[in-house]
Amino acid sequence: ETGVTQSPTHLIKTRGQQVTLRCSSQSGHNTVSWYQQALGQGPQFIFQYYREEENGRGNFPPRFSGLQFPNYSSELNVNALELDDSALYLCASSRPGGGGNIQYFGAGTRLSVL
Amino acid sequence: AQSVTQLDSQVPVFEEAPVELRCNYSSSVSVYLFWYVQYPNQGLQLLLKYLSGSTLVESINGFEAEFNKSQTSFHLRKPSVHISDTAEYFCAVTSNTGNQFYFGTGTSLTVIP
Repeated sequence: ETGVTQSPTHLIKTRGQQVTLRCSSQSGHNTVSWYQQALGQGPQFIFQYYREEENGRGNFPPRFSGLQFPNYSSELNVNALELDDSALYLCASSRPGGGGNIQYFGAGTRLSVL
Repeated sequence: AQSVTQLDSQVPVFEEAPVELRCNYSSSVSVYLFWYVQYPNQGLQLLLKYLSGSTLVESINGFEAEFNKSQTSFHLRKPSVHISDTAEYFCAVTSNTGNQFYFGTGTSLTVIP
């Protein structure tokens, strides 16, 4: 089975711009979560999507938004980029069924905001 | 709300020596606990998890962790480390609904030859 893939791997944007990051979930997984990992920090939960609906959200402003498509792939959109948005963005997919299910992570997209 | 504290940001250890990476959590509800490992330029990989039952859980590569409810801890241990264990290790907690994960800040394990 294919793993979680994210694109692009690296991205450079300037402050105020908008960015879209993409994630293809692992086969058979219909739940996708997004995380922001700043340098030297642990991943911070942004939100989770299940069956195309937002299923949970961390402490991130509304300019962080997402989508999940019928094939369970997902997008993370960030508007009005700020310097502090520079980070590694990780996507993880899992099977449905609650907190005990393993999350499988992609290698991430490294976003630099100048 | 839940939170995770990893008490050591960096742990250097000689090859074949034992190691313990500490993790404490706080939560007002029952939780599931995880350890993930991150190698350079890669995503996170699950090392082991505690859901219920036996408080001692083991991974296939020799790591183990013990859930201690009274001390709200889930420390990771390995009796003899290898060079290949050099990586960043993250402790994580989630509720049984699983729609929010909380990670610690990570512990960088460096195995010295």
